[in-house]
Amino acid sequence: QAQLVESGGGVVQPGRSLRLSCAASGLTFRSYAMHWVRQAPDKGLEWVAVISYDGSKIYYLDSVKGRFTISRDNSRNTLYLQMNSLRAEDTAVYFCASPVDTPYFDHWGQGTLVTVSS
Amino acid sequence: IQLTQSPSSLSASVGDRVTITCRASQGISSYLAWYQQKPGKAPKLLIYAASTLQSGVPSRFSGSGSGTDFTLTISSLQPEDFATYYCQQLGSYPHTFGGGTKVGIK
Repeated sequence: QAQLVESGGGVVQPGRSLRLSCAASGLTFRSYAMHWVRQAPDKGLEWVAVISYDGSKIYYLDSVKGRFTISRDNSRNTLYLQMNSLRAEDTAVYFCASPVDTPYFDHWGQGTLVTVSS
Repeated sequence: IQLTQSPSSLSASVGDRVTITCRASQGISSYLAWYQQKPGKAPKLLIYAASTLQSGVPSRFSGSGSGTDFTLTISSLQPEDFATYYCQQLGSYPHTFGGGTKVGIK
């Protein structure tokens, strides 16, 4: 059974950095694109970034371009999101998600909370 | 591409037929998914490619539409269906979500 588990969330001051991880198991990680999606408290879902199966193609939400970097280590079955210059509006639960059985987001992690506050 | 869901919330009773709409700001063919999310949980894929039922999802859920106008229908609302529903387009990046529709108990 495919499983995605995020980690690395926490409380961070504005302007600081944080790196999130998403550990995959039960799937051939290197075969799938991986996405980050976030959800601010009591708000809707917001797609953040995607990385192709081999890391050759990457796309970002405009509001995180230049501040966030998505990457993956296929040897460790792990996805990353390096978040720099964090802002209060980046406060959210961050989910990793992947199209495994379908071309759509059919597998999700449980999410990790990032709080940007002084 | 912007996705506009309506209504943003609704109240319904068990057994009711519920319809949620999602309108895209430009054509996305059938690259649309519907998700269900319950409080404190990750979203769950219900429908993909606008009308294909995800494995394991009850047949009371159905999707239709193409181009810019899409619909999610729950034919007979069950107690476990009270949740928030989101549409998402995968026609182009960014893969935007609709604002959500909260289905509450009447």
